[in-house]
Amino acid sequence: EAQVTQNPRYLITVTGKKLTVTCSQNMNHEYMSWYRQDPGLGLRQIYYSMNVEVTDKGDVPEGYKVSRKEKRNFPLILESPSPNQTSLYFCATAVGGLFYEQYFGPGTRLTVT
Amino acid sequence: AQTVTQSQPEMSVQEAETVTLSCTYDTSENNYYLFWYKQPPSRQMILVIRQEAYKQQNATENRFSVNFQKAAKSFSLKISDSQLGDTAMYFCAFKVGFGNEKLTFGTGTRLTIIP
Repeated sequence: EAQVTQNPRYLITVTGKKLTVTCSQNMNHEYMSWYRQDPGLGLRQIYYSMNVEVTDKGDVPEGYKVSRKEKRNFPLILESPSPNQTSLYFCATAVGGLFYEQYFGPGTRLTVT
Repeated sequence: AQTVTQSQPEMSVQEAETVTLSCTYDTSENNYYLFWYKQPPSRQMILVIRQEAYKQQNATENRFSVNFQKAAKSFSLKISDSQLGDTAMYFCAFKVGFGNEKLTFGTGTRLTIIP
């Protein structure tokens, strides 16, 4: 079954404590991306990756890091989380090129206190 | 830069009625894709329907159809015979054809179907 998985699904943490949200896909997609969803703002892209070892900033990259060491995984790293990073996070994947279909993970609800 | 505007934060309609959700966008690109995504309470993002900008014919998927007006940069979603399971947040989204596959989203419309 084609899947995008995210872990954890829910996380409550404190300011400054480093955390990683994992994203994994089994569809051999080249393109992976992270979005955050906030009320009244829709979804905004944080970072994306066109392929292994190729990453670039999206619209709201401040406070986040990513890495793409292997095709199937694209972790999102918050080195020093702050309360304004409390949000719902989605990982998405796509074949890339001219294909339009994007597959979203189930979301990770992060609360930073 | 592309922008997507959904001017209806909330809507409600009686079950079995028809409802139309509005979306406008702004772009200088000529080749692009438009989408409607549904987000039920489970928070999963579900693709409802898509439209390629080069196609004049409006897309249809069962009870869901769009009214795509390219010159007016308008992309509305019509839901016919609405069902309780249609209750969700609906997002309009835009994508340029090639390269960063980024979707630019609107702010969403919360749709409630009333029994």
